[in-house]
Amino acid sequence: DAMVIQNPRYQVTQFGKPVTLSCSQTLNHNVMYWYQQKSSQAPKLLFHYYDKDFNNEADTPDNFQSRRPNTSFCFLDIRSPGLGDAAMYLCATSRRATDGYTFGSGTRLTVV
Amino acid sequence: KQEVTQIPAALSVPEGENLVLNCSFTDSAIYNLQWFRQDPGKGLTSLLLIQSSQREQTSGRLNASLDKSSGRSTLYIAASQPGDSATYLCAPHGSGNTGKLIFGQGTTLQVKP
Repeated sequence: DAMVIQNPRYQVTQFGKPVTLSCSQTLNHNVMYWYQQKSSQAPKLLFHYYDKDFNNEADTPDNFQSRRPNTSFCFLDIRSPGLGDAAMYLCATSRRATDGYTFGSGTRLTVV
Repeated sequence: KQEVTQIPAALSVPEGENLVLNCSFTDSAIYNLQWFRQDPGKGLTSLLLIQSSQREQTSGRLNASLDKSSGRSTLYIAASQPGDSATYLCAPHGSGNTGKLIFGQGTTLQVKP
């Protein structure tokens, strides 16, 4: 089945140690998004790629970066994780920016 | 800036009840609106997608309506079951250049056997 796959499901990292979260898709969608969802809060958009064009939200901290080496893969890099970055990170795709989104299962990040 | 409000924040009902979840949004310039389900500690599952030109969409026991001009959407769940217990999120899709989803806080539903 075509889908959005996030790895790993659970990630534990040390305070200040760089970490990378991965997202892949078999839908061949043009747009890929990264959302951050803290406990009991709504998902919040960090950034998205429309093809190779990167779009950062104005309030996304500089500590968060992203790479999209090809259509299928997108990575979220957290350069120096703090305790406040512990959250569920959700990857989503859409065929066009105006279409419905398909989400992955998420990566739960714990910072110790 | 789009703001999304979902009422109620939490709901507990006995099995078999029909129920309505409400969503309101401040900016009616949207392409579409999606309803999602989220189980604890899991990702989001899309339930229904309503295009801005549509009034409602149905999938099984779920029916979602959209009144774009008044900034409202409702999700109707018929004959609720314990397996429906989850958080339900409403997300209008803005029509700006980025076309992004903005989420409400969700309604957490518990259906008791």
